[in-house]
Amino acid sequence: EAGVAQSPRYKIIEKRQSVAFWCNPISGHATLYWYQQILGQGPKLLIQFQNNGVVDDSQLPKDRFSAERLKGVDSTLKIQPAKLEDSAVYLCASSFNRVTEAFFGQGTRLTVV
Amino acid sequence: SQELEQSPQSLIVQEGKNLTINCTSSKTLYGLYWYKQKYGEGLIFLMMLQKGGEEKSHEKITAKLDEKKQQSSLHITASQPSHAGIYLCGAEGAGGTSYGKLTFGQGTILTVHP
Repeated sequence: EAGVAQSPRYKIIEKRQSVAFWCNPISGHATLYWYQQILGQGPKLLIQFQNNGVVDDSQLPKDRFSAERLKGVDSTLKIQPAKLEDSAVYLCASSFNRVTEAFFGQGTRLTVV
Repeated sequence: SQELEQSPQSLIVQEGKNLTINCTSSKTLYGLYWYKQKYGEGLIFLMMLQKGGEEKSHEKITAKLDEKKQQSSLHITASQPSHAGIYLCGAEGAGGTSYGKLTFGQGTILTVHP
C-alpha cells in the first residue's frame, strides 16, 4: 500500500514570497491533516479535512495560510506571503476516518530567509 | 483544548538499558497514540490505546494507559541505537468540536549510546 506522498521535500524561499505544498493521502482515507512542526516542538494541527470539507482550522493563520482539498483526495497548503517564523516542517497525514490512527508523509522542510 | 505534557524532554541512555517516557493529559483521554519520528522525517505509528488499564507491546516497546485515562507511559526494554529518535504522544479529542482532532505533546528526544 502506498503511503502519504508529499512534495516538495525541501523548499527555501525569501520572506514575503509565496509557497505551496502538495499532499496525496492514502487511497480511501477520508480524513486529511496538515501539521506545522517547528524545530524542537511537537506537531501543531493547522487544518483538518473530512473528505473535501474543513473540520477544524482554528489554528490556521488565515491571513497568510490557505488550504484546499478539491474532490476530497489531494490537498494543497499555501503560504502567502511567508514570514521568517514560518520556517518549519509541514507534515501531511491521513486516516481512514476521524478516530483511527493517522499515517504521515515525510514532510516538507521550509526555510524562509 | 487538550494539553499533553511529555517527560522527560530528552533522554540519553546506554545501549541495553531500560527507559520510560511519560505522557500526561489535562483531560480524559479518548484515544492515545504513540509515534516515533526520525529527525526531519514523518511520524511512524507505534501503538494506539483506548481503554483504561490497556497495555500493548510491539517487539521491545510497551505502552500503557492508566485506569483514569489521563496518563500513558512508553517503556523500552534493552534499548538499542535503532530506538533513537523523537517519541511523540498524540491524543484524540473526546467530543464536540474536538472530536477526531489529533493533538500532540512536545516530544521526547531519545539518544542511545552504543
